[in-house]
Amino acid sequence: GDSVTQMEGPVTLSEEAFLTINCTYTATGYPSLFWYVQYPGEGLQLLLKATKADDKGSNKGFEATYRKETTSFHLEKGSVQVSDSAVYFCALSEVNNNAGNMLTFGGGTRLMVKP
Amino acid sequence: GAGVSQSPSNKVTEKGKDVELRCDPISGHTALYWYRQSLGQGLEFLIYFQGNSAPDKSGLPSDRFSAERTGGSVSTLTIQRTQQEDSAVYLCASSPRGGGQTYEQYFGPGTRLTVT
Repeated sequence: GDSVTQMEGPVTLSEEAFLTINCTYTATGYPSLFWYVQYPGEGLQLLLKATKADDKGSNKGFEATYRKETTSFHLEKGSVQVSDSAVYFCALSEVNNNAGNMLTFGGGTRLMVKP
Repeated sequence: GAGVSQSPSNKVTEKGKDVELRCDPISGHTALYWYRQSLGQGLEFLIYFQGNSAPDKSGLPSDRFSAERTGGSVSTLTIQRTQQEDSAVYLCASSPRGGGQTYEQYFGPGTRLTVT
């Protein structure tokens, strides 16, 4: 079955540091890829997505590129802020008649940014 | 507009009791999903509804779990004879449609269930 593997946290960075959170996946077909973010005390929010190979998703300074050859979707940000402290989830979705667009999530990576 | 809402936000129950969790999706969204977020299992898919129909219930953890959706809107997830391993945050998400192409799923705030 499908699976998503992402680096374990916590990741602790100083403000303005460069961020990379690695994510790799296995899928039977041709999935869409997502990064979701969960801020403290809040629900899951879509951060960015990519639906085909070489697509780059971007939002709020975060970027991730769909790499089919390496089955990866690493999240990057050039300069993190304290407000970026959250848990980040990599996920994939394949269309399935019985499960719609169900999401398969990685284990989550907690990011802590210190001033 | 209004997002996905879930109730209750927190539920503490004794082992062996039944609980009912409610999800109100975004108006007009025909697809609805339930997920569970627990320390041991991470985020896992439970069940999907397209309209009132759930094509596959095999993602539910055990036969103590059931879910229904009425009027293409509100959904309830029922857990009978709760066990301590049922303690988790239960998340609901909705999207405009399911299948065909990838639509964004909008998540509710979750219901934190604690079984004592």
